[in-house]
Amino acid sequence: DAGVIQSPRHEVTEMGQEVTLRCKPISGHDYLFWYRQTMMRGLELLIYFNNNVPIDDSGMPEDRFSAKMPNASFSTLKIQPSEPRDSAVYFCASRAPLFNTEAFFGQGTRLTVV
Amino acid sequence: EDKVVQSPLSLVVHEGDTVTLNCSYEVTNFRSLLWYKQEKKAPTFLFMLTSSGIEKKSGRLSSILDKKELSSILNITATQTGDSAIYLCAVGSNSGYALNFGKGTSLLVTP
Repeated sequence: DAGVIQSPRHEVTEMGQEVTLRCKPISGHDYLFWYRQTMMRGLELLIYFNNNVPIDDSGMPEDRFSAKMPNASFSTLKIQPSEPRDSAVYFCASRAPLFNTEAFFGQGTRLTVV
Repeated sequence: EDKVVQSPLSLVVHEGDTVTLNCSYEVTNFRSLLWYKQEKKAPTFLFMLTSSGIEKKSGRLSSILDKKELSSILNITATQTGDSAIYLCAVGSNSGYALNFGKGTSLLVTP
């Protein structure tokens, strides 16, 4: 398996634009997580899905952020409209449906909003 | 609210030194504690600890959990420049399946 695949790797956009980040989890993993990493706040959980259903979105900062998982092999995180304070590295991670397993991370998307 | 605190926040050592990284946590319904290493991009898994007092070891790295003290340490012996990275501690609970991460310890090993 190629691991968790995220795209794009880098995104530079102007304030007010819509940004869509994409993630393909590892096949067979039924948990998918979106995290955001900044120097100030570290790795923060934004939302996670189980079997394509959002379970906990309490970490989504505000209504400008939305996430979907239309099927087991694809998820998106959308920011509309984007703001400079959204600049961060966004990670997607997935894990297997076993009791004590680790999460595997994608390479991340570095988002810069100017 | 669950809390994971790592110390120190950053550390600079010379090659060959031994380092100890700390992680303390407050979490409801603790299930597991995980250590990850983050070099340039994606965090990569090192260890998962669920039971107190049982050391996990991989080469020069080892880790142990103390459930009474709500803490864990990660030891790296005979450090090498390739150990330079951010080391992340994360805790999982039985209340959900997401991991709650600390802010990490940034380790720099100089030649």
